[in-house]
Amino acid sequence: DTGVSQDPRHKITKRGQNVTFRCDPISEHNRLYWYRQTLGQGPEFLTYFQNEAQLEKSRLLSDRFSAERPKGSFSTLEIQRTEQGDSAMYLCASSFTGTDNQYFGPGTRLLVL
Amino acid sequence: DQQVKQNSPSLSVQEGRISILNCDYTNSMFDYFLWYKKYPAEGPTFLISISSIKDKNEDGRFTVFLNKSAKHLSLHIVPSQPGDSAVYFCAASVIELGGKLIFGQGTELSVKP
Repeated sequence: DTGVSQDPRHKITKRGQNVTFRCDPISEHNRLYWYRQTLGQGPEFLTYFQNEAQLEKSRLLSDRFSAERPKGSFSTLEIQRTEQGDSAMYLCASSFTGTDNQYFGPGTRLLVL
Repeated sequence: DQQVKQNSPSLSVQEGRISILNCDYTNSMFDYFLWYKKYPAEGPTFLISISSIKDKNEDGRFTVFLNKSAKHLSLHIVPSQPGDSAVYFCAASVIELGGKLIFGQGTELSVKP
């Protein structure tokens, strides 16, 4: 299967710890997006990359959050000093510029205790 | 400010009948609209999309209708099947602004045998 993959699928951490998530997009896709979804809500945009360039960051992305896509392939999302309010499903999606049909990975569910 | 709204949190339909899911938006700059289906603990699965230059797009049992003057779109599923039971999200984007998706809150569809 060559869909979008995310790792880990689940993460439980204690408040104050740092966590890092990885996303591997569909190989020919040059756009990569991160979203966050909380219970009962639709996904909310966090940031996106075109190749290795981070082109937009949401106001939701506080300075504790950082995302990278160093070689224009996989991406990482790091949350420093996690807070209980960071508990959510973190979703990654990719698309090929020009089609804008975004394909999502299975998500990483984060629980901050 | 909720730019994309799905006002029905849930919908129950008999197997074989038509399911109609509705979505309203406020931002007239949106030029691309998508529907996603989501099962618990999984990422959203792309279903169907429509550009603002069209008013209808059909793919098998799924048809999306767009009414730009009313800023309203709908997803029709005919005939509905029990496997269609899931949460459905509509999403909208402005392609030239990078294509980030703005999602509605979702509608939970239950198709009863």
